Amino acid sequence: TQLLEQSPQFLSIQEGENLTVYCNSSSVFSSLQWYRQEPGEGPVLLVTVVTGGEVKKLKRLTFQFGDARKDSSLHITAAQPGDTGLYLCAAIIQGAQKLVFGQGTRLTINP
Amino acid sequence: DAGVTQSPTHLIKTRGQHVTLRCSPISGHKSVSWYQQVLGQGPQFIFQYYEKEERGRGNFPDRFSARQFPNYSSELNVNALLLGDSALYLCASSRQDARSGNTIYFGEGSWLTVV
Repeated sequence: TQLLEQSPQFLSIQEGENLTVYCNSSSVFSSLQWYRQEPGEGPVLLVTVVTGGEVKKLKRLTFQFGDARKDSSLHITAAQPGDTGLYLCAAIIQGAQKLVFGQGTRLTINP
Repeated sequence: DAGVTQSPTHLIKTRGQHVTLRCSPISGHKSVSWYQQVLGQGPQFIFQYYEKEERGRGNFPDRFSARQFPNYSSELNVNALLLGDSALYLCASSRQDARSGNTIYFGEGSWLTVV
């Protein structure tokens, strides 16, 4: 059983469309992170959300942390082919000293 | 400044063999973590080292071991390789340990194929 469940696992849309991917858990986290990973590279941190209900924007990407700090969403407006990649959510497990990842959402934006 | 560097980038091993993967953290970073990423999945935590001491261990068999050297570089060793060990092995570094919630930076990984 995944501690962090991401949905959808695969998403293929046309350039210019909007999309939302989700990261859900039954556990409460002090913070949650979103990464993007391109083929042949390691994950790159996009954002860290800390406060319940927090919304952060990174150009056309909007990240939200759920009020109960159990879930998060990533919304992309007017998707572009350069947004193609694997999007991963992750949370630090306090005490266990480890970063736990979801299984990822593989996003393909078609020109 | 150089990022996290890993070697080798690709390697092929036979079942039963042993492999050593190497990682050099970003200069000034004292924490190194190792992750296994099987194709189509998110990374799975293997180990974390901080100041040369093991600070965290994931759910991996004893065939997996690691160490951190005085210069903060690290090695991941896997013995008695199985086909299922085929994966991308990622190294990540950060200034402090995971409890601090500080940013971690990933290398590009070592692709291991076991045949």
